[in-house]
Amino acid sequence: QSALTQPASVSGSPGQSITISCTGTSSDVGVYNYVSWYQQHPGKAPKVMIYDVTNRPSGVSNRFSGSKSGNTASLTISGLQAEDEADYYCSSYTSSSTYVFGTGTKVTVL
Amino acid sequence: EVQLLESGGGLVLPGGSLRLSCVVSGFTFRSYAMSWVRQAPGKGLEWVSTIGGGGVTFYADSVKGRFTISRDISKNTLYLQMNSLRAEDTAVYYCAKGGGTNYRYFEYWGQGTLVTVSS
Repeated sequence: QSALTQPASVSGSPGQSITISCTGTSSDVGVYNYVSWYQQHPGKAPKVMIYDVTNRPSGVSNRFSGSKSGNTASLTISGLQAEDEADYYCSSYTSSSTYVFGTGTKVTVL
Repeated sequence: EVQLLESGGGLVLPGGSLRLSCVVSGFTFRSYAMSWVRQAPGKGLEWVSTIGGGGVTFYADSVKGRFTISRDISKNTLYLQMNSLRAEDTAVYYCAKGGGTNYRYFEYWGQGTLVTVSS
């Protein structure tokens, strides 16, 4: 199972919006609405930000939103803040009853 | 409050074995899928294994035949038995609780335990 493809880095200024893409195949992202997104600060455990493509867990800022079209899912962070600087990973359930993570994206707040 | 606490990591020789544990609290352990996810130093996340609420197990190809996931419901503990360890198994290992009605995402994570495979 190959990792989902994410851009290595994305940057933006405070207050701006950024979007991170996550490209998979018709065996994972394209076949199920089970895409999730995780934020990871250095030395910390990952934290779920979006699940089932568009749902936000309780306590996660509404500045985070998710979407999907075909084999590509996206995470949008609006009103970028300094605390959003972190690594972000997408994940998808697959047709083999396994999971696959994305390659990871480093978000930098300029 | 949901809590997951891993232990059992350490330095092991190539070809050796190690058993990781994850003690959980704050939810009905037997009702949820539980997973192990690892992260090699400076690298991304990699799914390792999942045990479903009914006890069905799933493994990544990279560990199939070498790792075994199990749980002891009476002890609220998840395990990962790792045999025939290789240098490429060096990573921080996280246990994670499945979320949602279908457990298709990782809702809560432990703090991780470091496994180093080296001679």
